[in-house]
Amino acid sequence: QVQLVQSGAEVKKPGASVKVSCKAYGYTFTSYYMHWVRQAPGQGLEWMGIINPSDGSTSYAQKFQGRLIMTRDTSTSTFYMELSSLRSEDTAVYYCARATTTTTAFDFWGQGTMLTVSS
Amino acid sequence: QSALTQPASVSGSPGQSITISCTGTSSDVGGYNYVSWYQQHPGKAPKLMIYDVSNRPSGVSNRFSGSKSGNTASLTISGLQAEDEADYYCSSYRSSNTYVFGTGTKVTVL
Repeated sequence: QVQLVQSGAEVKKPGASVKVSCKAYGYTFTSYYMHWVRQAPGQGLEWMGIINPSDGSTSYAQKFQGRLIMTRDTSTSTFYMELSSLRSEDTAVYYCARATTTTTAFDFWGQGTMLTVSS
Repeated sequence: QSALTQPASVSGSPGQSITISCTGTSSDVGGYNYVSWYQQHPGKAPKLMIYDVSNRPSGVSNRFSGSKSGNTASLTISGLQAEDEADYYCSSYRSSNTYVFGTGTKVTVL
């Protein structure tokens, strides 16, 4: 069955970078795009970006342009989300979420990775 | 880039029907039939309930239904049950391969 397993919780200082992984199981890795979504404590969901696993092409929310990089490793069926120049407002749970075949929805979600940014 | 607008809370008694609205613009909700809905229980990852406005994924109860009129999409939960108490989020495609979520609605079963 489809499973997305994310890396563990992270604590970073302001100005640092973080790289979160999302390993995919149970489906053909290159057949489905992957989204990244975050949720600050007590807040709503925020879409960050999407990556095409076939060619690595990406599209990011304007808010994250310049400090967000999404990549993938087809040899290990793993996606990565790297966010730089961290600030306290980046404290959130980060989710990877597989896109449906039409890419227009998110059908399977990882368990989430908690990132805390604090000095 | 502003979020789609949802009511902060909606409540209903067991067995009743409730509807959650999701208002956007002609650049997102009104421009594409790519609205989806997610249920999120506390401390859990969201779960897809409706995609492409009105389609239900396999395994989702037929008590959940979706629709759209103009720039507003709606999720209706009929025969409300205690387990439906959760946060609900809409999402829409917004051109140039970007997406946006709604502000979220807390559903309370009285």
